[in-house]
Amino acid sequence: SAVISQKPSRDICQRGTSLTIQCQVDSQVTMMFWYRQQPGQSLTLIATANQGSEATYESGFVIDKFPISRPNLTFSTLTVSNMSPEDSSIYLCSASDRGAYGYTFGSGTRLTVV
Amino acid sequence: AQTVTQSQPEMSVQEAETVTLSCTYDTSESDYYLFWYKQPPSRQMILVIRQEAYKQQNATENRFSVNFQKAAKSFSLKISDSQLGDAAMYFCAYRSGNTGKLIFGQGTTLQVKP
Repeated sequence: SAVISQKPSRDICQRGTSLTIQCQVDSQVTMMFWYRQQPGQSLTLIATANQGSEATYESGFVIDKFPISRPNLTFSTLTVSNMSPEDSSIYLCSASDRGAYGYTFGSGTRLTVV
Repeated sequence: AQTVTQSQPEMSVQEAETVTLSCTYDTSESDYYLFWYKQPPSRQMILVIRQEAYKQQNATENRFSVNFQKAAKSFSLKISDSQLGDAAMYFCAYRSGNTGKLIFGQGTTLQVKP
């Protein structure tokens, strides 16, 4: 299965600033997704990163706050914009090729906004 | 919309014993896949086992097996001969055959007692 390199692994940011998280997959994948996870809680889907077109956002998440890029089949970025302490969380990317073979996940980015 | 429910926030098991984690889901789709993921404190999401909805036979992976009851929309995970390394948070997940999105349950924290 694919291997994902996610960077940075953690960061502490000032409120009002933005952070861009990168995910690089070692092979071409059909689908990439971005999730948010509060410590000790479940994963909430933010959006589906579409190659060459705008991302598809889930209810409660908007492009202005979480702009996503996916320029090719192996790379995607998530930006957390104009951050507030409520954005402190773990952000994970995920990738999958077609079929029932599960999803590969990045190791996550632990974001703290102060 | 699809939903996944894990009603056991925490479970504990004695080392070498067997434990069952519960999961129910709700969907109107006929094409879907179900997964169990393990997340240790390292945050890495590890695929434990998967089940295609069209398959009646329950999936098995070494000490891990599922009880898939399609009509009841139930998908429980049985861990046999529990080991200390099994201690983690376990997530039940549903993959839509239409959209490819992966939706997670709330998670169950498993403690393994020596």
